[in-house]
Amino acid sequence: DQQVKQNSPSLSVQEGRISILNCDYTNSMFDYFLWYKKYPAEGPTFLISISSIKDKNEDGRFTVFLNKSAKHLSLHIVPSQPGDSAVYFCAASVGMRFGAGTRLTVKP
Amino acid sequence: GAVVSQHPSRVICKSGTSVKIECRSLDFQATTMFWYRQFPKQSLMLMATSNEGSKATYEQGVEKDKFLINHASLTLSTLTVTSAHPEDSSFYICSASVGGYQPQHFGDGTRLSIL
Repeated sequence: DQQVKQNSPSLSVQEGRISILNCDYTNSMFDYFLWYKKYPAEGPTFLISISSIKDKNEDGRFTVFLNKSAKHLSLHIVPSQPGDSAVYFCAASVGMRFGAGTRLTVKP
Repeated sequence: GAVVSQHPSRVICKSGTSVKIECRSLDFQATTMFWYRQFPKQSLMLMATSNEGSKATYEQGVEKDKFLINHASLTLSTLTVTSAHPEDSSFYICSASVGGYQPQHFGDGTRLSIL
């Protein structure tokens, strides 16, 4: 029962350009969403979150957008940097369900 | 930032043995700890949620007698894989939270290999 889906397993962008990572969910009861970043051989680290009462949250180069009607959220990274290369997971509250992750590669 | 220590990072053992994995929050009190399992190229699958001093809540399909979880203090939770078999080989990862809508802080995971 995949309640949180990240349909793109990988994404490659050029340094300086925008990275857009997408996430869809099915459970309308989810009211809080988070993005985590994971490097190999390490646990995920928290990146940014958004409550369902908002449709946008910004923190430096990272912005998360939430479209409740579409049950869709996205993470924008601009400008992208090589150090952003990692696997990004979106997660939803109510049991902290995780998507399968998207591997972002930022090319210099 | 908040630190969660998970130990051991890697375990290789024979089929039939029991393996204990520890998860410690080093600089904060974790009212809630989560245990996940990750198969290659797949998502983190939530196994159970534990609150300090109470029994863990297991996800559907997770055998509670197979995966024993103890959250005896606000800084320590343990996962014991009992009578482990090769199909239990996986990457197990814990996380801790102060509760509510606060983000989880993850350990670095344990690679379990059962021969």
